[in-house]
Amino acid sequence: NAGVMQNPRHLVRRRGQEARLRCSPMKGHSHVYWYRQLPEEGLKFMVYLQKENIIDESGMPKERFSAEFPKEGPSILRIQQVVRGDSAAYFCASSLRLADNEQFFGPGTRLTVL
Amino acid sequence: QKEVEQNSGPLSVPEGAIASLNCTYSDRGSQSFFWYRQYSGKSPELIMFIYSNGDKEDGRFTAQLNKASQYVSLLIRDSQPSDSATYLCAVNGRSNYQLIWGAGTKLIIKP
Repeated sequence: NAGVMQNPRHLVRRRGQEARLRCSPMKGHSHVYWYRQLPEEGLKFMVYLQKENIIDESGMPKERFSAEFPKEGPSILRIQQVVRGDSAAYFCASSLRLADNEQFFGPGTRLTVL
Repeated sequence: QKEVEQNSGPLSVPEGAIASLNCTYSDRGSQSFFWYRQYSGKSPELIMFIYSNGDKEDGRFTAQLNKASQYVSLLIRDSQPSDSATYLCAVNGRSNYQLIWGAGTKLIIKP
């Protein structure tokens, strides 16, 4: 299956812990996007990365959140010192080209902060 | 005013009828428009995209774009129970890759 892969699918953390969400793009895709979706709401853009570069992180909170897409391995979205408001579904999408709006989504990671 | 607005629904349509979903957007500079389907607890799945004014058909789905009125719609012909889902409208934002999303319309197809 060459689709976008995300893990874990479900993640439970206590307040103050760290959450690490992983995303492997579709084969051949080098553009990765992270979105957050709160219940009953649309997706909110967080960050756009290419291999080893953060292109646009304008949608990501300035504190506690970081993202990377190393040369080897999956893209990582890291949330430090999680709070209850971080509970959401986090989706990763990938695309083939820079100007390619056809983004393909992974199954998401549902983060619950207790 | 939200950047991309959709009626949250639920929109209830009898099986076999046409379902009509609407979306309005605020940025006149938007160039790309997308419809995604999202089943409960699942990820969004791209159904159609449209860039030019007018209609675009793909099987039972037709996307309609009117840039002057700043709306985009999705028609689903011969609706099936399996079409029951939330339909998300997305529009490109200040950058081509940055999609601005509506909150979605929940569609229920009644057998």
